Amino acid sequence: EAGVVQSPRYKIIEKKQPVAFWCNPISGHNTLYWYLQNLGQGPELLIRYENEEAVDDSQLPKDRFSAERLKGVDSTLKIQPAELGDSAVYLCASSPRRGWNEQFFGPGTRLTVL
Amino acid sequence: QKEVEQDPGPLSVPEGAIVSLNCTYSNSAFQYFMWYRQYSRKGPELLMYTYSSGNKEDGRFTAQVDKSSKYISLFIRDSQPSDSATYLCAMSSQGAQKLVFGQGTRLTINP
Repeated sequence: EAGVVQSPRYKIIEKKQPVAFWCNPISGHNTLYWYLQNLGQGPELLIRYENEEAVDDSQLPKDRFSAERLKGVDSTLKIQPAELGDSAVYLCASSPRRGWNEQFFGPGTRLTVL
Repeated sequence: QKEVEQDPGPLSVPEGAIVSLNCTYSNSAFQYFMWYRQYSRKGPELLMYTYSSGNKEDGRFTAQVDKSSKYISLFIRDSQPSDSATYLCAMSSQGAQKLVFGQGTRLTINP
């Protein structure tokens, strides 16, 4: 069974530029998460989807971040415009369904903003 | 004060040693406790999952939860160089589906 797929693995951009990250969860997993992981820290939740509905986006900085999961499968996280402080690893995770506590993570996208 | 506290280390031990990793937490509503292992430049990998208090063993790994003390532990027996990674504790409350992670402990097993 394939794991969570993320692309790109690495991205370097200049500040004020837009950037997008893509995630494909494990097949059949209805719940999808985006996390932010700063260097030397644990992941922090940005947004959680149940199918195509964003059910928890309270930690998403909505002035510059947006996300979508149009068909309830893969998802895109966008930052526009990027700031220096956005340099981090962006992790995607999935779990089989609502109420399932175990989450399975992808390899992450490492973003560097210059 | 963070909801979950974890000593970031680094922790360095010789091969074959018993390793003890710990987290404390403040939210008494937490009922689900997990340990993730994260290799450099990789995503976290679920290692152990426990519900409420008690012990769980899986091969060389043992997870312990003491809810009365708000303290969880992960023990690694006969540690191997391949166990060198960052270990993250994570926890959630009933129905929350939101994992709260510790900072992670960086562990090195020396051959």
